[in-house]
Amino acid sequence: GAVVSQHPSRVICKSGTSVKIECRSLDFQATTMFWYRQFPKQSLMLMATSNEGSKATYEQGVEKDKFLINHASLTLSTLTVTSAHPEDSSFYICSARIHSQGRREQFFGPGTRLTVL
Amino acid sequence: AQSVTQLGSHVSVSEGALVLLRCNYSSSVPPYLFWYVQYPNQGLQLLLKYTSAATLVKGINGFEAEFKKSETSFHLTKPSAHMSDAAEYFCAVSDPGYSSASKIIFGSGTRLSIRP
Repeated sequence: GAVVSQHPSRVICKSGTSVKIECRSLDFQATTMFWYRQFPKQSLMLMATSNEGSKATYEQGVEKDKFLINHASLTLSTLTVTSAHPEDSSFYICSARIHSQGRREQFFGPGTRLTVL
Repeated sequence: AQSVTQLGSHVSVSEGALVLLRCNYSSSVPPYLFWYVQYPNQGLQLLLKYTSAATLVKGINGFEAEFKKSETSFHLTKPSAHMSDAAEYFCAVSDPGYSSASKIIFGSGTRLSIRP
């Protein structure tokens, strides 16, 4: 199956700093990527959808100025948590979608654990 | 809008017993339905998916699920539980065809525990 990677897998930062998380589709081109957030013992909540070369579409209640998403290429999307605070501590999971002739599937990355002190 | 409801946040079964995890969906269009498994501090692994073909879907690790339109259900089953099945299970729904606007929406999850 297709592989989606995330980097870093874990990050600890001080309150007020910014953190960038990378999501890469390793062996396929992803026209659409998704970012989810998962608080402990809770489900995955979709934060935003990004299409290569265009602005991300954010879900209701997600601050676009705080969670900056860049989908600069068909294999890379980044999520930057700006001015992070302890309440931003969470497990962030990206997902990439193949949508080419004959194949339509979506794959999930392994997640990034963010801890804001 | 689409949604899924997972009945039971925690299910505990004995090793070797039947596993049944319940999921009901709501969708205004024929849905795609998924079951994912998540082990602690890891990402999601797809167990199986329904994409409007056969209503009985077989997945990995001996799991299967049946799409029942009349009951708007997509329950996950496994005949005989194994200790390694202990994990969090998520039911999910999307609209069909993976259009550029479609997105996968997750249920609240069910934690499966296996008793020796």
